[in-house]
Amino acid sequence: EPEVTQTPSHQVTQMGQEVILRCVPISNHLYFYWYRQILGQKVEFLVSFYNNEISEKSEIFDDQFSVERPDGSNFTLKIRSTKLEDSAMYFCASSAERPGELFFGEGSRLTVL
Amino acid sequence: RKEVEQDPGPFNVPEGATVAFNCTYSNSASQSFFWYRQDCRKEPKLLMSVYSSGNEDGRFTAQLNRASQYISLLIRDSKLSDSATYLCVVILTGGGNKLTFGTGTQLKVEL
Repeated sequence: EPEVTQTPSHQVTQMGQEVILRCVPISNHLYFYWYRQILGQKVEFLVSFYNNEISEKSEIFDDQFSVERPDGSNFTLKIRSTKLEDSAMYFCASSAERPGELFFGEGSRLTVL
Repeated sequence: RKEVEQDPGPFNVPEGATVAFNCTYSNSASQSFFWYRQDCRKEPKLLMSVYSSGNEDGRFTAQLNRASQYISLLIRDSKLSDSATYLCVVILTGGGNKLTFGTGTQLKVEL
Protein backbone atom coordinates (compact mmCIF):
# COMPACT_ATOMS: atom_id res chain seq x y z
CA GLU A 1 0.00 0.00 0.00
CA PRO A 2 1.43 3.40 -0.95
CA GLU A 3 2.37 5.57 2.00
CA VAL A 4 3.75 8.95 2.93
CA THR A 5 7.25 8.69 4.38
CA GLN A 6 8.93 11.23 6.63
CA THR A 7 12.48 11.76 7.85
CA PRO A 8 13.86 12.12 10.40
CA SER A 9 11.54 10.39 12.85
CA HIS A 10 13.01 12.44 15.69
CA GLN A 11 15.25 15.49 15.69
CA VAL A 12 16.69 17.30 18.67
CA THR A 13 18.03 20.78 18.03
CA GLN A 14 19.17 23.86 19.88
CA MET A 15 17.04 26.99 19.90
CA GLY A 16 17.95 29.25 17.00
CA GLN A 17 19.12 26.43 14.73
CA GLU A 18 17.66 25.68 11.31
CA VAL A 19 15.76 22.45 10.82
CA ILE A 20 14.61 20.74 7.64
CA LEU A 21 11.96 18.05 7.80
CA ARG A 22 11.57 15.85 4.75
CA CYS A 23 8.61 14.05 3.28
CA VAL A 24 7.95 11.84 0.28
CA PRO A 25 4.25 12.06 -0.54
CA ILE A 26 2.30 9.35 -2.33
CA SER A 27 3.46 9.46 -5.94
CA ASN A 28 0.23 10.26 -7.80
CA HIS A 29 -1.06 12.75 -5.24
CA LEU A 30 -1.31 16.41 -6.16
CA TYR A 31 -1.88 18.16 -2.83
CA PHE A 32 0.66 18.28 -0.03
CA TYR A 33 0.39 19.52 3.52
CA TRP A 34 2.19 20.05 6.76
CA TYR A 35 0.36 19.80 10.05
CA ARG A 36 1.75 19.85 13.55
CA GLN A 37 0.64 18.52 16.91
CA ILE A 38 2.04 19.82 20.16
CA LEU A 39 2.03 17.07 22.80
CA GLY A 40 -1.44 16.70 24.30
CA GLN A 41 -3.02 19.18 21.90
CA LYS A 42 -4.97 19.02 18.67
CA VAL A 43 -3.60 18.61 15.18
CA GLU A 44 -3.09 22.04 13.60
CA PHE A 45 -2.84 23.02 9.95
CA LEU A 46 0.34 24.75 8.85
CA VAL A 47 0.37 24.92 5.07
CA SER A 48 -0.99 23.38 1.89
CA PHE A 49 0.88 23.17 -1.41
CA TYR A 50 -0.43 22.57 -4.90
CA ASN A 51 0.98 23.06 -8.35
CA ASN A 52 4.35 24.08 -6.94
CA GLU A 53 3.08 26.86 -4.78
CA ILE A 54 1.54 27.48 -1.40
CA SER A 55 -2.25 27.42 -1.70
CA GLU A 56 -3.04 28.25 1.91
CA LYS A 57 -1.18 28.83 5.16
CA SER A 58 -2.14 29.36 8.77
CA GLU A 59 -1.13 32.07 11.22
CA ILE A 60 1.40 29.64 12.69
CA PHE A 61 3.23 29.52 9.34
CA ASP A 62 5.13 32.77 9.73
CA ASP A 63 8.32 33.97 8.05
CA GLN A 64 10.36 31.40 9.96
CA PHE A 65 8.71 28.61 8.00
CA SER A 66 9.09 27.69 4.35
CA VAL A 67 8.21 24.73 2.15
CA GLU A 68 9.76 23.40 -1.01
CA ARG A 69 9.29 20.64 -3.49
CA PRO A 70 12.80 20.62 -4.88
CA ASP A 71 12.82 17.57 -7.12
CA GLY A 72 9.30 16.36 -7.86
CA SER A 73 9.27 13.73 -5.14
CA ASN A 74 10.44 15.32 -1.87
CA PHE A 75 8.42 17.91 0.02
CA THR A 76 10.30 19.75 2.75
CA LEU A 77 9.46 21.99 5.67
CA LYS A 78 12.18 24.33 6.84
CA ILE A 79 12.18 26.20 10.12
CA ARG A 80 14.82 28.89 9.90
CA SER A 81 15.45 29.70 13.55
CA THR A 82 13.75 27.29 15.90
CA LYS A 83 12.05 28.38 19.10
CA LEU A 84 11.17 26.30 22.15
CA GLU A 85 7.50 26.47 21.18
CA ASP A 86 8.25 24.80 17.83
CA SER A 87 8.66 21.52 19.72
CA ALA A 88 5.94 19.28 18.31
CA MET A 89 5.20 16.35 16.05
CA TYR A 90 5.16 17.51 12.44
CA PHE A 91 3.00 15.50 10.08
CA CYS A 92 3.28 15.59 6.32
CA ALA A 93 0.20 14.57 4.37
CA SER A 94 -0.85 14.22 0.77
CA SER A 95 -4.11 13.77 -1.06
CA ALA A 96 -5.44 13.08 -4.52
CA GLU A 97 -8.41 15.18 -5.54
CA ARG A 98 -10.99 14.30 -2.93
CA PRO A 99 -11.05 17.05 -0.31
CA GLY A 100 -10.49 15.94 3.25
CA GLU A 101 -9.16 12.48 2.48
CA LEU A 102 -5.59 12.93 3.52
CA PHE A 103 -2.89 10.33 4.00
CA PHE A 104 -0.51 11.24 6.79
CA GLY A 105 3.07 10.22 7.32
CA GLU A 106 4.19 8.83 10.66
CA GLY A 107 5.50 12.21 11.69
CA SER A 108 8.77 13.85 12.63
CA ARG A 109 9.12 14.67 16.29
CA LEU A 110 11.03 17.93 16.78
CA THR A 111 12.47 18.76 20.18
CA VAL A 112 13.93 22.24 20.61
CA LEU A 113 16.17 22.71 23.64
CA ARG B 1 -16.04 29.16 20.98
CA LYS B 2 -13.82 26.43 19.53
CA GLU B 3 -14.25 25.71 15.83
CA VAL B 4 -14.66 22.00 16.46
CA GLU B 5 -15.57 20.75 19.90
CA GLN B 6 -15.45 17.22 21.28
CA ASP B 7 -15.79 15.59 24.68
CA PRO B 8 -12.21 14.46 25.42
CA GLY B 9 -13.33 11.36 27.34
CA PRO B 10 -11.93 8.86 28.02
CA PHE B 11 -14.81 6.56 27.26
CA ASN B 12 -14.10 3.20 28.90
CA VAL B 13 -16.35 0.49 27.48
CA PRO B 14 -16.39 -3.30 27.58
CA GLU B 15 -15.72 -5.29 24.46
CA GLY B 16 -18.90 -5.72 22.45
CA ALA B 17 -20.48 -2.50 23.66
CA THR B 18 -21.95 0.21 21.47
CA VAL B 19 -20.47 3.65 21.97
CA ALA B 20 -21.30 7.03 20.45
CA PHE B 21 -19.21 10.18 20.14
CA ASN B 22 -20.49 13.63 19.38
CA CYS B 23 -18.89 16.67 17.87
CA THR B 24 -20.14 20.21 17.35
CA TYR B 25 -18.78 22.79 14.97
CA SER B 26 -19.16 26.53 15.19
CA ASN B 27 -19.14 27.63 11.56
CA SER B 28 -22.54 27.02 9.98
CA ALA B 29 -21.00 27.32 6.53
CA SER B 30 -18.75 24.29 7.08
CA GLN B 31 -18.92 22.11 4.04
CA SER B 32 -17.27 18.73 4.62
CA PHE B 33 -16.97 16.46 7.62
CA PHE B 34 -14.83 13.48 8.54
CA TRP B 35 -13.86 11.17 11.34
CA TYR B 36 -10.19 10.36 11.70
CA ARG B 37 -8.65 7.93 14.13
CA GLN B 38 -5.36 8.49 15.93
CA ASP B 39 -3.56 5.81 17.89
CA CYS B 40 -1.26 6.89 20.70
CA ARG B 41 1.73 8.81 19.29
CA LYS B 42 0.81 7.86 15.73
CA GLU B 43 -0.47 9.75 12.72
CA PRO B 44 -4.18 10.47 12.10
CA LYS B 45 -5.85 8.05 9.71
CA LEU B 46 -9.09 8.64 7.87
CA LEU B 47 -11.87 6.51 9.31
CA MET B 48 -14.77 7.77 7.23
CA SER B 49 -16.26 10.78 5.53
CA VAL B 50 -19.62 11.99 6.86
CA TYR B 51 -22.36 12.52 4.30
CA SER B 52 -25.53 14.57 4.74
CA SER B 53 -27.75 11.52 4.60
CA GLY B 54 -25.63 9.62 7.10
CA ASN B 55 -23.45 6.69 6.17
CA GLU B 56 -22.31 3.37 7.47
CA ASP B 57 -19.09 1.41 7.09
CA GLY B 58 -19.27 -1.95 8.79
CA ARG B 59 -19.58 -1.38 12.53
CA PHE B 60 -19.23 2.39 12.15
CA THR B 61 -22.10 4.81 11.47
CA ALA B 62 -21.68 8.54 10.98
CA GLN B 63 -24.48 11.10 11.13
CA LEU B 64 -24.59 14.80 10.30
CA ASN B 65 -27.14 17.28 11.59
CA ARG B 66 -26.53 20.59 9.83
CA ALA B 67 -29.32 22.40 11.66
CA SER B 68 -27.72 21.66 15.03
CA GLN B 69 -24.15 21.77 13.67
CA TYR B 70 -23.53 18.35 15.10
CA ILE B 71 -21.75 15.21 13.89
CA SER B 72 -21.83 11.81 15.51
CA LEU B 73 -19.97 8.53 15.26
CA LEU B 74 -21.49 5.27 16.47
CA ILE B 75 -19.35 2.18 16.96
CA ARG B 76 -21.18 -1.11 17.37
CA ASP B 77 -19.71 -4.31 18.82
CA SER B 78 -16.55 -2.57 20.04
CA LYS B 79 -13.26 -4.43 19.65
CA LEU B 80 -10.09 -4.02 21.70
CA SER B 81 -8.47 -2.71 18.51
CA ASP B 82 -10.95 0.19 18.40
CA SER B 83 -9.10 1.75 21.35
CA ALA B 84 -7.81 5.06 20.00
CA THR B 85 -8.59 8.76 19.89
CA TYR B 86 -11.33 9.69 17.44
CA LEU B 87 -10.88 13.05 15.78
CA CYS B 88 -13.76 15.06 14.39
CA VAL B 89 -12.59 17.00 11.35
CA VAL B 90 -14.27 19.78 9.41
CA ILE B 91 -13.47 21.68 6.23
CA LEU B 92 -14.74 25.23 6.49
CA THR B 93 -16.36 26.82 3.46
CA GLY B 94 -13.66 28.50 1.44
CA GLY B 95 -11.09 26.48 3.34
CA GLY B 96 -9.87 24.65 0.28
CA ASN B 97 -8.57 21.36 1.51
CA LYS B 98 -7.55 22.62 4.94
CA LEU B 99 -8.70 20.34 7.75
CA THR B 100 -9.78 21.77 11.10
CA PHE B 101 -9.41 19.15 13.81
CA GLY B 102 -11.16 18.73 17.11
CA THR B 103 -9.09 17.75 20.12
CA GLY B 104 -10.40 14.20 19.91
CA THR B 105 -12.32 11.76 22.07
CA GLN B 106 -10.37 8.93 23.65
CA LEU B 107 -11.90 5.46 23.59
CA LYS B 108 -10.64 2.56 25.66
CA VAL B 109 -12.22 -0.81 24.99
CA GLU B 110 -11.62 -3.29 27.81
CA LEU B 111 -12.02 -7.03 28.23
